[in-house]
Amino acid sequence: EAGVAQSPRYKIIEKRQSVAFWCNPISGHATLYWYQQILGQGPKLLIQFQNNGVVDDSQLPKDRFSAERLKGVDSTLKIQPAKLEDSAVYLCASSLVRLAHNKINEQFFGPGTRLTVL
Amino acid sequence: GENVEQHPSTLSVQEGDSAVIKCTYSDSASNYFPWYKQELGKRPQLIIDIRSNVGEKKDQRIAVTLNKTAKHFSLHITETQPEDSAVYFCAASGYGGSQGNLIFGKGTKLSVKP
Repeated sequence: EAGVAQSPRYKIIEKRQSVAFWCNPISGHATLYWYQQILGQGPKLLIQFQNNGVVDDSQLPKDRFSAERLKGVDSTLKIQPAKLEDSAVYLCASSLVRLAHNKINEQFFGPGTRLTVL
Repeated sequence: GENVEQHPSTLSVQEGDSAVIKCTYSDSASNYFPWYKQELGKRPQLIIDIRSNVGEKKDQRIAVTLNKTAKHFSLHITETQPEDSAVYFCAASGYGGSQGNLIFGKGTKLSVKP
């Protein structure tokens, strides 16, 4: 089966500019996650969608970050305006259903978008 | 909220030796513990996972053990090979709601020397 797709793979912008990332999850996967992975650290969850609804966005810096999943399939993550500390790899992942009692489903990760903010 | 500590941050072994990576977690409600392998510039990939109702799980050269009382779990790789060189991440999660989110450790860079 096709994996999680992300684009672009690399992006270089100057601080205060805007940037958007796109993710297409595995077909049929209801749950979609956006993670931020800073160099040398583990992935940190930014937002989780169940179909087109937000389940958890408690770690999303809402003053500059936004995300949507309008039709419950593709998703976009936007940063406006970008800061130097936003330089990281942004990973999208999907799973069949949200982790729930007795229904643990593997999260499949996309290749990520490496963002460099100058 | 959950906090996951991972040790060591780097590990170097000779080919054929065993490697052990340890993680501790803080939330006693966590009950799902996956391990991911991430090669340089590539996506994290699940290599093994364990649920709280199991104490140990094996898959060929890889095994994971879980001690819920002590709130720690470990990854064991036997007969290491150069292709095992990568960064390994442990994670913890609970069931349901936002507890279903994975909280990752900071990673262990494993180097296997031929």
